[in-house]
Amino acid sequence: GQSLEQPSEVTAVEGAIVQINCTYQTSGFYGLSWYQQHDGGAPTFLSYNALDGLEETGRFSSFLSRSDSYGYLLLQELQMKDSASYFCAVRDHNAGNMLTFGGGTRLMVKP
Amino acid sequence: DGGITQSPKYLFRKEGQNVTLSCEQNLNHDAMYWYRQDPGQGLRLIYYSQIVNDFQKGDIAEGYSVSREKKESFPLTVTSAQKNPTAFYLCATHSLQGYTEAFFGQGTRLTVV
Repeated sequence: GQSLEQPSEVTAVEGAIVQINCTYQTSGFYGLSWYQQHDGGAPTFLSYNALDGLEETGRFSSFLSRSDSYGYLLLQELQMKDSASYFCAVRDHNAGNMLTFGGGTRLMVKP
Repeated sequence: DGGITQSPKYLFRKEGQNVTLSCEQNLNHDAMYWYRQDPGQGLRLIYYSQIVNDFQKGDIAEGYSVSREKKESFPLTVTSAQKNPTAFYLCATHSLQGYTEAFFGQGTRLTVV
């Protein structure tokens, strides 16, 4: 099966940089992605990594190391509106391309 | 507009009743999912389908049932066997062609009264 581990909570101040880590176990890895969910809302897609390295999208970047089964989401210039839950997710070739989510990291941005 | 639609947004169920949550997508995606989310918790997989007339149980399928008679539709029935159904239910879909993002419906908040 697949499993993903990420911290349950992270707190940071406005304007700072925060990194949310994700380690995964899967037999047929087919990409690591990140989703953001505000309270009461639906998750929305942030980024995706299929190959090793860093992908940058504005203030958000995502990194992947396939050899370490590890990735992270980097949020820069934190804003209050970034307070949300962040989920990493993997797709698995050997599980019908099923998408599996980590438990989520609740980010609290303080003034 | 293309997208995924869940209905209703809020649903109240009496003890012992079955209720059905609707999920419809017009993105022509093969994969569809149902997740349950409790307050402050992550997404727990109830059921997954990647083709019409076929679906697989997720981690918490007991007390739930689904059907996939059409590619666009994946309704979830919460049966009376589900003893603690109060939760936020999310439907998601993605294409199986290459790696694409998953799209979520707006969610259904189910409350037992």
